[in-house]
Amino acid sequence: EVQLVESGGGLGQPGGSLRLSCSASGFPLENYAMHWVRQAPGKGLEWVSGITWDSGRTAYADSVKGRFTISRDNAKNSLYLQMNSLRREDTALYYCVQDRGSGWFTAFDDWGQGTLVTVSS
Amino acid sequence: QSVLTQPPSASGTPGQRVTISCSGGSSNIASNTVNWYQQFPGTAPKLLIYSNNLRPSGVPERFSGSRSDTSGSLAISGLQSEDEAEYYCAAWDDSVNGWVFGGGTKLTVL
Repeated sequence: EVQLVESGGGLGQPGGSLRLSCSASGFPLENYAMHWVRQAPGKGLEWVSGITWDSGRTAYADSVKGRFTISRDNAKNSLYLQMNSLRREDTALYYCVQDRGSGWFTAFDDWGQGTLVTVSS
Repeated sequence: QSVLTQPPSASGTPGQRVTISCSGGSSNIASNTVNWYQQFPGTAPKLLIYSNNLRPSGVPERFSGSRSDTSGSLAISGLQSEDEAEYYCAAWDDSVNGWVFGGGTKLTVL
């Protein structure tokens, strides 16, 4: 059974940093591209970032480009999101998501339960 | 303002067939496939349809998808009370080089 468990959320200061982690189990992480998708309270879904199986290609939403960095460690079955220069509008539930494909992005297949990030002073 | 446009709400009675539209443009739906997600309150979304019209294993045949030009569509036949949820479409957008979502459609089963 695929399991994706996010951690690292919490209260962040405007201009500050947080690092999200996602621990994957039940499938070979190295075979799949991965994503972060967020959902602000009471709002819709917003894709944040994606990374191919070998970290060869990454992509970011314009809203986070230059501030967030996605990375992965297949040996540790883990996905990360380094969030810098936090803004209040980054407040959201952040989901770790497994893609159906490996080399590029196909669809958001399995989802974690999310970790809540709140940006406030 | 979402790049993909969905109606904010839809409704139907049990047994009815309901369709939800997703309108995009030349850089997203016209050139890339459409995926659909189902989300119940307080839970993570679930992949319902991918590559326009393919169902992951475990998704009932009552759910189907289609794409035509710059629009995608999700159809639910034999509507059931447990289908009451929020539905989102998504597609890769070549102009922003990223995934874009519709704003979501809240489906009510009357």
